Amino acid sequence: DGGITQSPKYLFRKEGQNVTLSCEQNLNHDAMYWYRQDPGQGLRLIYYSQIVNDFQKGDIAEGYSVSREKKESFPLTVTSAQKNPTAFYLCASSINRETFFGQGTRLTVV
Amino acid sequence: EDQVTQSPEALRLQEGESSSLNCSYTVSGLRGLFWYRQDPGKGPEFLFTLYSAGEEKEKERLKATLTKKESFLHITAPKPEDSATYLCAVQSDNYGQNFVFGPGTRLSVLP
Repeated sequence: DGGITQSPKYLFRKEGQNVTLSCEQNLNHDAMYWYRQDPGQGLRLIYYSQIVNDFQKGDIAEGYSVSREKKESFPLTVTSAQKNPTAFYLCASSINRETFFGQGTRLTVV
Repeated sequence: EDQVTQSPEALRLQEGESSSLNCSYTVSGLRGLFWYRQDPGKGPEFLFTLYSAGEEKEKERLKATLTKKESFLHITAPKPEDSATYLCAVQSDNYGQNFVFGPGTRLSVLP
C-alpha cells in the first residue's frame, strides 16, 4: 500500500530534550512537508523540501530542524529551543498539486 | 499576507439537515483552493480542489463551489459519519506550492 507513515503516534518529551519524529513515504513524491496543528488554529508550515538534500524554513521553523538525505524520508527534530512543543505534527508529501498527509504524531511535554 | 478564515467554527446538524460551510480567502493570485476532511487524531483526507471562480465539484453528499472571494462546502442530507473537521486551504502566488490553511469547521451530525 502506498502512503505516508509517521511514527510514533504518541511521543512524550521531557523539558530540555530533543526528540525526532519520523516520516516515510513510498509514493515517490519529491516534495515533503511538516506542519504543526494546534486547537483552533490552521495547520502551520514548519519546514518543506522540494528535493533531496534541500529544504526551506516555513512560517514557524524556530526550534525545529530537518534533514532530507533520502527521497523517502523527512525526519523532524524538535529541539529544546522550541518552547511550546506540545502539538499534533503532520507530515505530508505532494506531486502535481495533490497533497497527502500522514496520520500524525501527538507530542506532549511532560 | 494571504489569509484564510472559515465559518462557523462549529456546526451541529440533525441527520438529514442540509447546510453549508464557508471558507473566505484573501490571497495574491489564487492557484488553487482545497478542501480536506479530518477525523479526530488523524491526518487530513483530501476531498476537492477548485481552481477558478464558478467551478463546482461533487462527491457523494458534498459539493464544493468557488467564487473570487470564498468557497462553500454544501452538505446535503448529512449522516452521522459525515461528522469531522473540514479544513480549507489555498495555494497562491505568494507561497508557490505551499498551503495556507484555515482553522477548520467542526461538524457534528446527530442521529
